[in-house]
Amino acid sequence: DIVMTQTPLSSPVTLGQPASISCRSSQSLVHSDGNTYLSWLQQRPGQPPRLLIYKISNRFSGVPDRFSGSGAGTDFTLKISRVEAEDVGVYYCMQATQIPLTFGGGTKVEIK
Amino acid sequence: QVQLVQSGAEVKKPGSSVKVSCKASGGTFSSYAISWVRQAPGQGLEWMGGIIPIFGTANYAQKFQGRVTITADESTSTAYMELSSLRSEDTAVYYCARVPLGYCSGGSCSLETFDIWGQGTMVTVSS
Repeated sequence: DIVMTQTPLSSPVTLGQPASISCRSSQSLVHSDGNTYLSWLQQRPGQPPRLLIYKISNRFSGVPDRFSGSGAGTDFTLKISRVEAEDVGVYYCMQATQIPLTFGGGTKVEIK
Repeated sequence: QVQLVQSGAEVKKPGSSVKVSCKASGGTFSSYAISWVRQAPGQGLEWMGGIIPIFGTANYAQKFQGRVTITADESTSTAYMELSSLRSEDTAVYYCARVPLGYCSGGSCSLETFDIWGQGTMVTVSS
């Protein structure tokens, strides 16, 4: 199974400041079809997860442009350019390149 | 706008089974897979398995092999997840999620992401 490791576990951020979350996979996420199926999800308290970014850097419909994804191979990053109060929650990276699909352990973003 | 609407909360005894449904409202399952993900209280996300309705093929995480069955009824755009031999550790919120398909060949497809999620179904296992 592909292990997804996220850092940090927790990220206290001042409103309006940037935040960054890293995700590392135990093996390359490049699929045989040439795509890299690495996504980022946001889970606000008491809500189901919500897709933010798919295939490394593609923002899903309705996702603000302050969210961006980057990376390649085994190392990936989610950046929030200016954190807003509504961004509080837990962020997960996940891979769909290989079955079983696996998730990172989550990074909690909170306001300082 | 497609929504996934799941069945309501369940309370089950250890050793019994639970079947959770997930209906696509405002759309169909065409060209998508459906996955099931669970989240124990205060914990992270865990993929249980999924199905590609147009092929009828299901894949399961090794951890749940033999205990979980995922099916789909294309005529009603509804997917089901049945988990048997329940134990207290199965207490969790169970989510269905829509999975866009990538490249398909020979009856299998690459899976892209989880783009739409159901609201979740709380399953409590308690004697």
